[in-house]
Amino acid sequence: GAGVSQSPSNKVTEKGKDVELRCDPISGHTALYWYRQSLGQGLEFLIYFQGNSAPDKSGLPSDRFSAERTGGSVSTLTIQRTQQEDSAVYLCASSLPPKTGKSGGTYNEQFFGPGTRLTVL
Amino acid sequence: RKEVEQDPGPFNVPEGATVAFNCTYSNSASQSFFWYRQDCRKEPKLLMSVYSSGNEDGRFTAQLNRASQYISLLIRDSKLSDSATYLCVVNRQFNKFYFGSGTKLNVKP
Repeated sequence: GAGVSQSPSNKVTEKGKDVELRCDPISGHTALYWYRQSLGQGLEFLIYFQGNSAPDKSGLPSDRFSAERTGGSVSTLTIQRTQQEDSAVYLCASSLPPKTGKSGGTYNEQFFGPGTRLTVL
Repeated sequence: RKEVEQDPGPFNVPEGATVAFNCTYSNSASQSFFWYRQDCRKEPKLLMSVYSSGNEDGRFTAQLNRASQYISLLIRDSKLSDSATYLCVVNRQFNKFYFGSGTKLNVKP
């Protein structure tokens, strides 16, 4: 079946411009995550949406970053007044609601999109 | 201190070798643990969850040591196709996933 899709796959922009990154999650997945991965680094959590609940925005690095999820499906991550340090791969992941794992705790397997490679000149 | 720490490698091993990676996590409240695989310029994909009792999936074995707060991944009979970066992931609450920066594995013919 269709996986998580993201667009654009690559985005080159000039410092100070705004950019919008789009994520289409797997149909039926209620949870949606945005992460950022800089070269050679691990994934940095940005924001999390679960159903109709208020999003967890605790990972957004500054007020230049915002995200919305319309109709519980497609999500858009917006970066205003881009800076060179915003250059990274932005990954979106979706998942079903949490379940209890064998090692305890609740979790849900995340399925990642191919990412958007953002370059700010 | 980082939530999750891994040796970045690279680990360069010949085909058929056995290789092991460790990962340490800082928060004892972490609840669920995973290994993801990430190929160059690709998205991460779940390799396996890590269970308290340890678990095996074919050539891959994962272990969890809560007392010492580390997770391990053992790969037996390495294949060329195992070359990738292996990400250690811990989960504290249902939406809080912390990713290590990855361990790079190169399997050589």
